Amino acid sequence: NAGVMQNPRHLVRRRGQEARLRCSPVKGHSHVYWYRQLPEEGLKFMVYLQKENIIDESGMPKERFSAEFPKEGPSILRIQQVVRGDSAAYFCASSPRSRNGGNTIYFGEGSWLTVV
Amino acid sequence: AQSVSQHNHHVILSEAASLELGCNYSYGGTVNLFWYVQYPGQHLQLLLKYFSGDPLVKGIKGFEAEFIKSKFSFNLRKPSVQWSDTAEYFCAALGGTDKLIFGTGTRLQVFP
Repeated sequence: NAGVMQNPRHLVRRRGQEARLRCSPVKGHSHVYWYRQLPEEGLKFMVYLQKENIIDESGMPKERFSAEFPKEGPSILRIQQVVRGDSAAYFCASSPRSRNGGNTIYFGEGSWLTVV
Repeated sequence: AQSVSQHNHHVILSEAASLELGCNYSYGGTVNLFWYVQYPGQHLQLLLKYFSGDPLVKGIKGFEAEFIKSKFSFNLRKPSVQWSDTAEYFCAALGGTDKLIFGTGTRLQVFP
């Protein structure tokens, strides 16, 4: 399966703990997006990254949330000191952002975070 | 700012009925448009996409969408829905910001 891989698929954390969500993009894709889907809501853009570079983080909450996409390894979305309101599905997507690859963005299966 | 509007929040149909889901975007430049489907508890799957060329785009599972530039619209259609089409449908636009912006989604329920 050469698609976008996210893990863990389901994560339960107590309030105050940290959550780390990982995303491996489609092989050869250099751009990664993170979206959050709250219950009964649509998908909200959080952050757009290129390897070793944050391109747009305008959708990221100002505190507790951070994202990275290192030169080697998966992209990580990190949520510190989680609160109940962080419970949501977090979707990662990747794009080749090349002329040949076009602008199609492929989504992973999501990571469901539950904060208890 | 770039935005996507889906005016139908919840649509209920009987099997074999025709479907049209509205999608309007606001962006004056070149835009790429997408429809994604999300079945209950699952991830998003791409139904179809429009980059350029023929404004009538055919996708998977019998869906199609028409890009009408003058109306800033990209409505999704299917002539005859099935129970298995029950899902949430998201319209999305990719413009100059490189951010894929989603509409709020339309929940479709199809009854046998």
